[in-house]
Amino acid sequence: EAQVTQNPRYLITVTGKKLTVTCSQNMNHEYMSWYRQDPGLGLRQIYYSMNVEVTDKGDVPEGYKVSRKEKRNFPLILESPSPNQTSLYFCASSLRKQGRLEELFFGEGSRLTVL
Amino acid sequence: QQPVQSPQAVILREGEDAVINCSSSKALYSVHWYRQKHGEAPVFLMILLKGGEQKGHEKISASFNEKKQQSSLYLTASQLSYSGTYFCGTEKAYSGAGSYQLTFGKGTKLSVIP
Repeated sequence: EAQVTQNPRYLITVTGKKLTVTCSQNMNHEYMSWYRQDPGLGLRQIYYSMNVEVTDKGDVPEGYKVSRKEKRNFPLILESPSPNQTSLYFCASSLRKQGRLEELFFGEGSRLTVL
Repeated sequence: QQPVQSPQAVILREGEDAVINCSSSKALYSVHWYRQKHGEAPVFLMILLKGGEQKGHEKISASFNEKKQQSSLYLTASQLSYSGTYFCGTEKAYSGAGSYQLTFGKGTKLSVIP
């Protein structure tokens, strides 16, 4: 089954304690991206990757890091989480085709609370 | 910069029609539409491309006005299952192709009641 898998789905942590949210896709997609969703603000892009070892900032990258060492994985790293990073996070992947993105496939989401 | 969606929310009775609009200040290469039900991930509905090509859902239609950088999603004869939040995502045009960066609007909450 084609899917994007995120872990953990739920996490409560404390300010400053480093954490990683993993994302893995089994569709051989070149493109992967992280979004955060906050009430009233929609989905805002954090980082995206067009292929292995190619990453770029989205609209709200501050406080986050990513890496793309393998095609299937795109982990999101919070080096020193703060309460304003409490949010619902979505990983998504897509094919790149003829100079544009195809439909995005989303993971189920990871709800993060930073105390 | 996020595209602007309107209306922010709409309530329909089953069988009624609705239009959701999406507007950008940037030159666009494509517009995506997604629906998100409460507690779930967004799900793809449709892509509209510069030049008129469309890919997507059988029962939902949409338009893309390239000159105005606007897109509209048309929901006809609404069903209870249409309830959810609808997001448009815009991909800017860059050197004759897409920019590979999809920026979403804040969403339109659609409620269909019996």
